Amino acid sequence: SQQGEEDPQALSIQEGENATMNCSYKTSINNLQWYRQNSGRGLVHLILIRSNEREKHSGRLRVTLDTSKKSSSLLITASRAADTASYFCATDVGGGATNKLIFGTGTLLAVQP
Amino acid sequence: DVKVTQSSRYLVKRTGEKVFLECVQDMDHENMFWYRQDPGLGLRLIYFSYDVKMKEKGDIPEGYSVSREKKERFSLILESASTNQTSMYLCASTPLGGAQETQYFGPGTRLLVL
Repeated sequence: SQQGEEDPQALSIQEGENATMNCSYKTSINNLQWYRQNSGRGLVHLILIRSNEREKHSGRLRVTLDTSKKSSSLLITASRAADTASYFCATDVGGGATNKLIFGTGTLLAVQP
Repeated sequence: DVKVTQSSRYLVKRTGEKVFLECVQDMDHENMFWYRQDPGLGLRLIYFSYDVKMKEKGDIPEGYSVSREKKERFSLILESASTNQTSMYLCASTPLGGAQETQYFGPGTRLLVL
């Protein structure tokens, strides 16, 4: 199975509500990243949290990391229709100079106007 | 702004054809990556390169090769395209290690092999 697995696979909410997505992983990590992908496009980096951090904020995004449970969550507050996208977590398991990421299968978020 | 471009957004090829997918980044990044993305499987790493003329296999290199003759350009080659290579192909780049660990992605190439 994937190093990173998102849960749920799909989520539908109303505009203004909060959206929470979870990511679980299997091995020790250096950091964990969240990316967004709009339909048929490339991925865009949202936020990076390091293994020694527990929580991080960026605008309407809040990410938590629990290394003891090997899990992370992404919270989007006050969602907007423009937040409709797929969200992926990615874990950095590389050593040295090459940072190889392993991506999960994604959560598809639909925000209804 | 970092810009990663891919030569085609959509590509249709026939089984057995040789296919070239080109990726160019304009930020002098050392590392470049090729992924394929399939429904239910997420992104899977095909090959990556951490320097000119250097390459390393990712998780699914079979049926693919790569070329990195210049720092800004990373090409993915399907020597003899097959229908199971129909997929979305994403290129990414990143600076060498350190705190700059974000990957910057191109818009993707959707390849259909008939």
